[in-house]
Amino acid sequence: EDQVTQSPEALRLQEGESSSLNCSYTVSGLRGLFWYRQDPGKGPEFLFTLYSAGEEKEKERLKATLTKKESFLHITAPKPEDSATYLCAVQAGAGNQFYFGTGTSLTVIP
Amino acid sequence: DAEITQSPRHKITETGRQVTLACHQTWNHNNMFWYRQDLGHGLRLIHYSYGVQDTNKGEVSDGYSVSRSNTEDLPLTLESAASSQTSVYFCASSENPQWGYTFGSGTRLTVV
Repeated sequence: EDQVTQSPEALRLQEGESSSLNCSYTVSGLRGLFWYRQDPGKGPEFLFTLYSAGEEKEKERLKATLTKKESFLHITAPKPEDSATYLCAVQAGAGNQFYFGTGTSLTVIP
Repeated sequence: DAEITQSPRHKITETGRQVTLACHQTWNHNNMFWYRQDLGHGLRLIHYSYGVQDTNKGEVSDGYSVSRSNTEDLPLTLESAASSQTSVYFCASSENPQWGYTFGSGTRLTVV
């Protein structure tokens, strides 16, 4: 069964304390891996798409990387405004189905 | 500016009632999707559409229906609401799903 698992479920960081979030997947025929940010009471906001192992994308303090089995979202010197839930999703197989993980809730403490 | 709007933001309904959640987008996207989000399950696909008159079932489609009569709207109907359908519902649209979705702000539905 296709599956997307994110870890940790929750992460508390001091401002400036860098860390990484993990998204591991077991799907056949990966067509893309997606990262979204979700603020409380809002819909997810698209961040990155990664298509193949070895690919990296960056946006401000965020960098996403992809291997054959997992993706990492690295957060460098986070600020309180980076506090949010980060969702990972994969698109796999012949259809356009997306499978979402349950997210990592990030809190950055000033 | 183009946007995707959902209404209502909050809805309380009784078991057995028919409920329709609205989704309207002005991006002119052909692809539209409905998801539900529950603690411990992440986002799960209910129905999706790739264009006018096209609708498809997703992972958790039982008890839900959609229709697509124009590009802008994809209303989601719960035929007979059940307590298990209490959830937050998100609509999304995309020109090309591989470029990512644009999500609405969600509808919190409570079935009592």
